Amino acid sequence: ETGVTQTPRHLVMGMTNKKSLKCEQHLGHNAMYWYKQSAKKPLELMFVYNFKEQTENNSVPSRFSPECPNSSHLFLHLHTLQPEDSALYLCASSQEGVESNQPQHFGDGTRLSIL
Amino acid sequence: GQNIDQPTEMTATEGAIVQINCTYQTSGFNGLFWYQQHAGEAPTFLSYNVLDGLEEKGRFSSFLSRSKGYSYLLLKELQMKDSASYLCASSDSNYQLIWGAGTKLIIKP
Repeated sequence: ETGVTQTPRHLVMGMTNKKSLKCEQHLGHNAMYWYKQSAKKPLELMFVYNFKEQTENNSVPSRFSPECPNSSHLFLHLHTLQPEDSALYLCASSQEGVESNQPQHFGDGTRLSIL
Repeated sequence: GQNIDQPTEMTATEGAIVQINCTYQTSGFNGLFWYQQHAGEAPTFLSYNVLDGLEEKGRFSSFLSRSKGYSYLLLKELQMKDSASYLCASSDSNYQLIWGAGTKLIIKP
C-alpha cells in the first residue's frame, strides 16, 4: 500500500477514444502531480495542483485535461491521443503544498498504450 | 537550460559498494532528491540534501556539493533487492523537480 492509488494499471486505447486516469491519495497531502515517464527518459512533469488549484501546466497538449475535484482525487482525461503518448503515467502527492519541498509519494502508474 | 546527468547503467557485485553520480544545472536550487524505482513499481523517496555534505541513512548515503553542482548516492553492502533504477532530481527556484533519466543498477551474485 503506497498511499497513492492509480487506476487502471493498464490501458489500451485507440486514437479516437476518450478515457480517464484516476489517482487517489490517502495521505492527507495538499499537492498532487501528474508525470509522464517514457523509457530511458527523465520524468516529465505535466500538471501540478497545489491546494486544489492548478499551478503548473508545462506546455502539455490540450488532448490531456486534468481535473482535481478535491485534495484527495486527481483525474487525467484523455482524448484523441497520438501513438507517442504511449507511456507510463505517474501520479504523485506531497504534504503541505509545493513550496514546502517535501518528498513526493508516487502511485504505481498507469501503463498507457495507444493503438 | 536545465539539465541533470547521471550514468545510464551500472553493474556491481552483491556485498560490494557502488557510487552513483549525478550532476545538475538548474535555474535556482532548493535541494537534491534521490528516488529508487523497481521495475513496474512506483518511485520511492530515498534522500534529500540541501546543504553540502554527506547524509547517512543505513546502507544508503547521499552527498552534495552545491559549488560543483554534484551529488552522489552511495550504496553499501549491496543486496540483490537493490537492483533498481535510481533517479536524481533537483528542485529549482520554483520548487519544480528537474529529473535525470535514471541509473539502472544491476547487482550480480
